[in-house]
Amino acid sequence: QKEVEQNSGPLSVPEGAIASLNCTYSDRVSQSFFWYRQYSGKSPELIMSIYSNGDKEDGRFTAQLNKASQYVSLLIRDSQPSDSATYLCAVKAGNNDMRFGAGTRLTVKP
Amino acid sequence: KAGVTQTPRYLIKTRGQQVTLSCSPISGHRSVSWYQQTPGQGLQFLFEYFSETQRNKGNFPGRFSGRQFSNSRSEMNVSTLELGDSALYLCASSLEGGYNQPQHFGDGTRLSIL
Repeated sequence: QKEVEQNSGPLSVPEGAIASLNCTYSDRVSQSFFWYRQYSGKSPELIMSIYSNGDKEDGRFTAQLNKASQYVSLLIRDSQPSDSATYLCAVKAGNNDMRFGAGTRLTVKP
Repeated sequence: KAGVTQTPRYLIKTRGQQVTLSCSPISGHRSVSWYQQTPGQGLQFLFEYFSETQRNKGNFPGRFSGRQFSNSRSEMNVSTLELGDSALYLCASSLEGGYNQPQHFGDGTRLSIL
């Protein structure tokens, strides 16, 4: 079992729709969770961090964390073509090093 | 505030050679982590340095090594290069690497092995 798993995608949504990205992790002592966006040919860019159960909203982005289910998700409301990118879920495990999922490629169609 | 700076941006080497990559973290950041990114394996953790000491290490062979200097700048070295080492090498920095401190990435060094 991989340490951090994401729905493989690719995911395609129409402009204005909600994009839902999911991530599960295996290390129960994980404490912090991050979502990064990576455009093709570019480096990952931090868009959200979440540390406690529940929802965290930042503009059009909402991160959701459920530690009991070892599940974290990212919702993108009113998706725009500029949101088209690969989204990486990252988890800081018990030994404090960061593990990344393989990423989900999102395409927002105008 | 300047971001994470990696040099060089592109590098072409041949099998058997060695290479050194450089990373300057965001000012004030003391933790530096290195990652290898390939299409097949995604982002894989190499190692993390803090206060000139390697604090965490991923599952890479001993050909991959690094160090950190007193000004927090870090270098990564790969010896006896193999074709499979072709990848994007990313450096990320954070304040102290604490659990609630996100990492910020540089633009990466793209290494091609011929």
